[in-house]
Amino acid sequence: EADIYQTPRYLVIGTGKKITLECSQTMGHDKMYWYQQDPGMELHLIHYSYGVNSTEKGDLSSESTVSRIRTEHFPLTLESARPSHTSQYLCASSESAAGELFFGEGSRLTVL
Amino acid sequence: ELKVEQNPLFLSMQEGKNYTIYCNYSTTSDRLYWYRQDPGKSLESLFVLLSNGAVKQEGRLMASLDTKARLSTLHITAAVHDLSATYFCAVGYNTDKLIFGTGTRLQVFP
Repeated sequence: EADIYQTPRYLVIGTGKKITLECSQTMGHDKMYWYQQDPGMELHLIHYSYGVNSTEKGDLSSESTVSRIRTEHFPLTLESARPSHTSQYLCASSESAAGELFFGEGSRLTVL
Repeated sequence: ELKVEQNPLFLSMQEGKNYTIYCNYSTTSDRLYWYRQDPGKSLESLFVLLSNGAVKQEGRLMASLDTKARLSTLHITAAVHDLSATYFCAVGYNTDKLIFGTGTRLQVFP
C-alpha cells in the first residue's frame, strides 16, 4: 500500500495570492496525478506525470502548474488564486500502468 | 470520449437490506476500479477488476465486471451503517489514466 502525503490539508487565502500544494509519496511510484473535486461531485484529472521531468495536462483545464523534479514529490502551484479555484485537490500515485491509484488525504482550498 | 455513469446517484437504505449500484461506461476498457470516500476524506481503494467476468468480494460488498456490456456492479449485502459513504467507480483509458463516475452517495439507516 502506498503512503502519500498532502499538505496543507486546509488552506484559506485571499484572492491574488500564490499557493503551492505539496504532495509526496514514499513508495517510489513513477506515475503521479492531481485531481480536482468539488464537494459531492466526481473527480477531474488536471495534471499527471509519468516520472521525473515529465508533466502533462489532464482532461480538465486548470490554471495551476505542476513540476516533477524528484520522483517522490509532485507539487501543484497557483500563481494567483481566485475564488473559482476553491475546491478539493487530491494527489494520487500508481506503480504500474494497470494499477490502482492510491490517494492522499487531499488539500481543501478556499479562496476568498 | 469516455463517459462513466453511475446510478443511483443517491441511495438511502435500511440496515439489513440488499442493493446494487451500477456503473456504465461508454467505450471499451478492461480496467475498472471501485473506491469509497467518507465525507471530507480521501478515496480508499475497494476493488480492482481487470478482466471480463471478474468478480471480487470483501465483506458485505461484491463487485463484478462485464466488459462486453460495459457494466460493473457493486452489490451490497445486508447493509450496515458503517457502509454509509460515497462510492465511485473509475474506468481506465489510454493505458494509465482513469475517468471517475459521478459517485453514489449511500446512506444506511437503522
